[in-house]
Amino acid sequence: AAGVIQSPRHLIKEKRETATLKCYPIPRHDTVYWYQQGPGQDPQFLISFYEKMQSDKGSIPDRFSAQQFSDYHSELNMSSLELGDSALYFCASSLGGTSGANVLTFGAGSRLTVL
Amino acid sequence: AQTVTQSQPEMSVQEAETVTLSCTYDTSESNYYLFWYKQPPSRQMILVIRQEAYKQQNATENRFSVNFQKAAKSFSLKISDSQLGDTAMYFCAFIGTYKYIFGTGTRLKVLA
Repeated sequence: AAGVIQSPRHLIKEKRETATLKCYPIPRHDTVYWYQQGPGQDPQFLISFYEKMQSDKGSIPDRFSAQQFSDYHSELNMSSLELGDSALYFCASSLGGTSGANVLTFGAGSRLTVL
Repeated sequence: AQTVTQSQPEMSVQEAETVTLSCTYDTSESNYYLFWYKQPPSRQMILVIRQEAYKQQNATENRFSVNFQKAAKSFSLKISDSQLGDTAMYFCAFIGTYKYIFGTGTRLKVLA
């Protein structure tokens, strides 16, 4: 069965550079979530989209932006990268909005390292 | 504010034995969902089990079951017949109105 696809799996950037992470949800899933998991930390919610509209916003820095496109894939753009942005970034998808009744399926994550 | 607390940073269990991971949460909402996710060394997040708050019956999924105590706001995970493949980080998660909130995790090690 198709899963949530994240790319790239690994990314190394310098401070103050820009990075873009991509997420391709499970086919027919219309809701995408982004999470950031620092080393030894629990996943922190960043932002979610439902039907291409932002549905909720968590602890996403102003330097980050995201959007969901017409094919439901999503991109997380991170600018002016800082060392503290080094983390595993998870994307998850679900069908039918952000209700808890809709189980999230997580991608394998994109590991960003900022040097 | 909604919070999720996992008070056991690390646990270990012998293979084939039973272990219980604890989770407490705080919310003023009446309708919500609780989850346990497993994160093995691969760092993939895998759903283990889900519980709807309005259901009194505890959820079970093969060797995994929960003890959901709504009044006490407690949601523990019991793993029976532990297997080496159960070694992972386990996160308790809560979703109320919109977004998932994760606990800090319990690192479980199954010993041969």
